[in-house]
Amino acid sequence: GAVVSQHPSWVICKSGTSVKIECRSLDFQATTMFWYRQFPKQSLMLMATSNEGSKATYEQGVEKDKFLINHASLTLSTLTVTSAHPEDSSFYICSATRTGGGQPQHFGDGTRLSIL
Amino acid sequence: KNEVEQSPQNLTAQEGEFITINCSYSVGISALHWLQQHPGGGIVSLFMLSSGKKKHGRLIATINIQEKHSSLHITASHPRDSAVYICAVKSGGNEKLTFGTGTRLTIIP
Repeated sequence: GAVVSQHPSWVICKSGTSVKIECRSLDFQATTMFWYRQFPKQSLMLMATSNEGSKATYEQGVEKDKFLINHASLTLSTLTVTSAHPEDSSFYICSATRTGGGQPQHFGDGTRLSIL
Repeated sequence: KNEVEQSPQNLTAQEGEFITINCSYSVGISALHWLQQHPGGGIVSLFMLSSGKKKHGRLIATINIQEKHSSLHITASHPRDSAVYICAVKSGGNEKLTFGTGTRLTIIP
């Protein structure tokens, strides 16, 4: 089955640090990847849609200069949280869909980010 | 009012019981997903359906497009089924999902 790998699974770092999270589709090509944020006991909130070879589409209220997304290949998208602060602490999860319409989304295992 | 509503929010049942989780949505959709999120956070896609019924092992998902309603059933529930179950719908021409708030299921041995 389709596998999406997300790395790292867990990060603790100091305030002001930039943190990069990788999302890879291991056995399929993904034209589109999605980045979500999830607060405790809440549902997933879409942050941005990452399209291979073009700029990401950010949801309203998400700062694109704060959350940098790069989707340079059909199997890799990265989310960089720049100059992270404690309020950025959250669970970040990515998903990917195969090229072509009507495909299910396959999710990574998520990254738990804690900013001290 | 959320576009996707799930019920119940929390459900505790004894091992072996038949479980039903409901999802209602208010928009036109092209597909509906049932997802399972374990305590560690990882999400598994259980079903994607746009009509009728799908079955995989002890899990059954149904959808009624006219009534804008879907159900997820678990037969012979087991403690390992304990997780948060999330309904998500895809509408419009893009691949974006709108999520329900989830149902936290706990199966007691």
